[in-house]
Amino acid sequence: KNQVEQSPQSLIILEGKNCTLQCNYTVSPFSNLRWYKQDTGRGPVSLTIMTFSENTKSNGRYTATLDADTKQSSLHITASQLSDSASYICVVISVIYNFNKFYFGSGTKLNVKP
Amino acid sequence: DVKVTQSSRYLVKRTGEKVFLECVQDMDHENMFWYRQDPGLGLRLIYFSYDVKMKEKGDIPEGYSVSREKKERFSLILESASTNQTSMYLCASSSPGLAGLKTQYFGPGTRLLVL
Repeated sequence: KNQVEQSPQSLIILEGKNCTLQCNYTVSPFSNLRWYKQDTGRGPVSLTIMTFSENTKSNGRYTATLDADTKQSSLHITASQLSDSASYICVVISVIYNFNKFYFGSGTKLNVKP
Repeated sequence: DVKVTQSSRYLVKRTGEKVFLECVQDMDHENMFWYRQDPGLGLRLIYFSYDVKMKEKGDIPEGYSVSREKKERFSLILESASTNQTSMYLCASSSPGLAGLKTQYFGPGTRLLVL
């Protein structure tokens, strides 16, 4: 069964600290993996897109890693800021005969406290 | 800047009512999507469209229909709203080509409450 599991479900950290969010998936075949940030009451916004051959991708203080062998990805946030408080969603895309299927994780809710 | 707008941020409807959720994008995107988002379940695809008048069922199309008469507009219709359709509804669009390789741009969402 194709699934995307994210952990932890929620996380509280102090401003300035680093944190790492995990995403494990069983989706096959794999096309690419994305991390989205969703502020409360808003739609998700893309942070990174990683294909099979990419191990690491950065977007400012956000660094995503991908291990396609173990089917694991992580999102590392450096020097967290209050504005990082949001839900972070991992999405795995599968493409079969030009048909695209999106598998969404249920997200990690991050709360950055001053 | 890509802009995806949704007609309402909040809606309250009664069971059995017909509900229209509108989504408009201004980037001439071919692909448009409707999702619902529920706590603990993540986003689930209801319908998507890859061209005007074209539509494909997603994972949970039951109880919903869609309309794509113009490229920029994708409507989600609840023919007879039920309480289990209370949810956050998100519209997204992406540029043409293999949708799996294109970034999806999401609207702000419509929070629908069915009483």
